[in-house]
Amino acid sequence: LAKTTQPISMDSYEGQEVNITCSHNNIATNDYITWYQQFPSQGPRFIIQGYKTKVTNEVASLFIPADRKSSTLSLPRVSLSDTAVYYCLVGDDSGYSTLTFGKGTMLLVSP
Amino acid sequence: EPEVTQTPSHQVTQMGQEVILRCVPISNHLYFYWYRQILGQKVEFLVSFYNNEISEKSEIFDDQFSVERPDGSNFTLKIRSTKLEDSAMYFCASGGTSGIEADTQYFGPGTRLTVL
Repeated sequence: LAKTTQPISMDSYEGQEVNITCSHNNIATNDYITWYQQFPSQGPRFIIQGYKTKVTNEVASLFIPADRKSSTLSLPRVSLSDTAVYYCLVGDDSGYSTLTFGKGTMLLVSP
Repeated sequence: EPEVTQTPSHQVTQMGQEVILRCVPISNHLYFYWYRQILGQKVEFLVSFYNNEISEKSEIFDDQFSVERPDGSNFTLKIRSTKLEDSAMYFCASGGTSGIEADTQYFGPGTRLTVL
């Protein structure tokens, strides 16, 4: 699995847009990029997944440049409840895959 | 929205005792997983299960661990003789049928296991 690098922590204020960037220089052709969110004492929650360009859902947007060596999770107008750890994962489409979690990015949203 | 459920939410046991953690995956999923997270540490993969057999397991998943899908809905993790270092949150996850859906794993709320 491609190794990922993301900031350990980020701070933001309510109402701001937050962009968390993840580096995955060794991403393979078959790899997808997936972001998860985890609140304390809860299981990780799937946020968004993409392969290239831009993906948007009701929660977030995911921007992936043409070389796919990085990706950016964009959270529009964050609220206090968005305080969580955000994980960037890269995996293939072999039919199933084990998820390798890093330390993630601890996002703290303040009033 | 369908979700993965786990029971119990918290299990306290004595060292050396056997525990069984239970999970009900999302009904139409075919891939099942167990992960654990020791307090303050990363989420770690334990085992994946597909077509009634283990697909992959990590170094953590030694002979003390076993998994079973006893019926069409439940997926269990058994620890035969618990150790203090088994204390952690244990998460069950399930994934879809193939391709991109299989990469999207849906996690349960977890079982906090405390070994005394």
